[in-house]
Amino acid sequence: AQSVSQHNHHVILSEAASLELGCNYSYGGTVNLFWYVQYPGQHLQLLLKYFSGDPLVKGIKGFEAEFIKSKFSFNLRKPSVQWSDTAEYFCAVNGDSWGKFQFGAGTQVVVTP
Amino acid sequence: GAVVSQHPSWVICKSGTSVKIECRSLDFQATTMFWYRQFPKQSLMLMATSNEGSKATYEQGVEKDKFLINHASLTLSTLTVTSAHPEDSSFYICSAPLGGFNEKLFFGSGTQLSVL
Repeated sequence: AQSVSQHNHHVILSEAASLELGCNYSYGGTVNLFWYVQYPGQHLQLLLKYFSGDPLVKGIKGFEAEFIKSKFSFNLRKPSVQWSDTAEYFCAVNGDSWGKFQFGAGTQVVVTP
Repeated sequence: GAVVSQHPSWVICKSGTSVKIECRSLDFQATTMFWYRQFPKQSLMLMATSNEGSKATYEQGVEKDKFLINHASLTLSTLTVTSAHPEDSSFYICSAPLGGFNEKLFFGSGTQLSVL
C-alpha cells in the first residue's frame, strides 16, 4: 500500500521568506503526484500536479514542486511567500488506480505580515 | 470552474440516529465521486468510491452497512451514516473528478459531523 508523509505539520514564516514543504511517498510503481491547498474557509483545490516529463513543475500562484524519483520526494517550494499563502497544504499520490488518491496529513502554513 | 457542493457543512446528531450528507457536482457530470474522512491533524482517508448506477466500492476497514452510499444521478452522491456513534464524529469530504485519467479532483467544502 502506498503512503504519503509530510514532514511538517505547522510552519510559520514571515512575508517574503522562502517556503519549502517536504513530501515523501512510499510506492514502488509509477505515481502521479499532486499538491492541494485549502485556504481558510474554502474548498481544497489543486495547486499543481506531476504526471510525467520535466520533474520540475510549475503551479498556480508562483508555486513549484520537484519530483525526485530516487528520493521518492515531491517537495513544494515558493521563493517568496505572501500573507495570502496562509493555508493548509496537502501532498497527494495516486499510483494504484484511478482516483484513489493517498493524502499526506497536511501542513498548516501561516505567513505573518 | 467546476464546483462541488456538499451539504450540510455542519451537523450535530444524537447517538443512534442517521445522518445524510449530500454531494453535488454543480456544472459537470460525475459518474464517480469519492468520499473521504479526515480526523484532526491526520490525512484525508478514502472511505469509498461512489459509482453512478452501481454499488459503491468501499475501502478496506470501512463498514458498508454503516456508511451507506447512493449515487442516483450523474450529479448527486449521498453518504448516510447509519446509527451514528460518537466515534463516527469526524470531518467528511466528497470529491468528484473532472477530465481524463487522474486529471483533477474537485472537492466539496466538507461536513463536520458531531455525534453526541
